[in-house]
Amino acid sequence: EVQLVESGGGLIQPGGSLRLSCAASGFTVSNTYMTWVRQAPGKGLEWVSVLYSGGSTYYADSVKGRFTISRDDSKNTLYLQMNSLRAEDTAVYYCVRDRPSEVGQLLLWGQGTLVTVSS
Amino acid sequence: DIQMTQSPSSLSASVGDRVTITCRASQSINRFLNWYQQKPGKAPKLLIYAASNLESGVPSRFSGSGSGTDFALTISSLQPEDFAAYYCQQSYSPPLTFGGGTKVEVK
Repeated sequence: EVQLVESGGGLIQPGGSLRLSCAASGFTVSNTYMTWVRQAPGKGLEWVSVLYSGGSTYYADSVKGRFTISRDDSKNTLYLQMNSLRAEDTAVYYCVRDRPSEVGQLLLWGQGTLVTVSS
Repeated sequence: DIQMTQSPSSLSASVGDRVTITCRASQSINRFLNWYQQKPGKAPKLLIYAASNLESGVPSRFSGSGSGTDFALTISSLQPEDFAAYYCQQSYSPPLTFGGGTKVEVK
C-alpha cells in the first residue's frame, strides 16, 4: 500500500528543537519530490519545504534558516529538522508526496503530526 | 515570493447551488495552479491540477479555469459532501504558496 506515516510531533518549549519523520511505503522517496505542509490550529495551509529527487531544497521564508528537510534513502524516510522553534510554528505538519515529475502537485498526504510550541 | 489571494474567505450555499471560488496570483503563474479540498480533521485532497485538469476520481461537477493571474474553481451543483474548505496553490516557483482558503458552509 502506498502511504506516508508521520511521527515525532509533540510539545516543545520555545527555542527548542524537534525532528519530524515521515516513513514512506509503496514508493521510493528518493525518486520523487517530497514536501512538508503545515496548518496552524483553525488556520489555512502553509507550504513549508520541498526536497527534490536530485537533492535541491527550498523553504518558506518563515522557516528559512531554522528548518532543514532531508531524507534517509536506506530507511525510505523524509525528515524535517526544526530548530529555534517559536509559538507560531505550532501546527499540524503534513508530509506529502508530489506527483512524480510535477513538483507542487501535492498528491499523497500523510495523516499529519501535531507540533505544539509552548512553555 | 508569489502571493495568492482567494475570495471569498467563506460562503453559504445550498445543495444544488452553483459555487465559484476565485484565486488571484501576484504575478503570472501561467497555468501552474492547483485546487485542494479539505474536510475537518482530514488531510487535504487534490481536486484540480494545472488550472483545469480534474484529478482522477474527482466528480465532474468540479471544474477549474484560468491562466496567468486569475483562476476559478466552480462546483456546478453543490452536493452535501462538498461542504468543506478549498485552497488554491501555485506550483510555478518555490516557495509554493497557498491561498488563504474558502470555507463553503450550509446556508
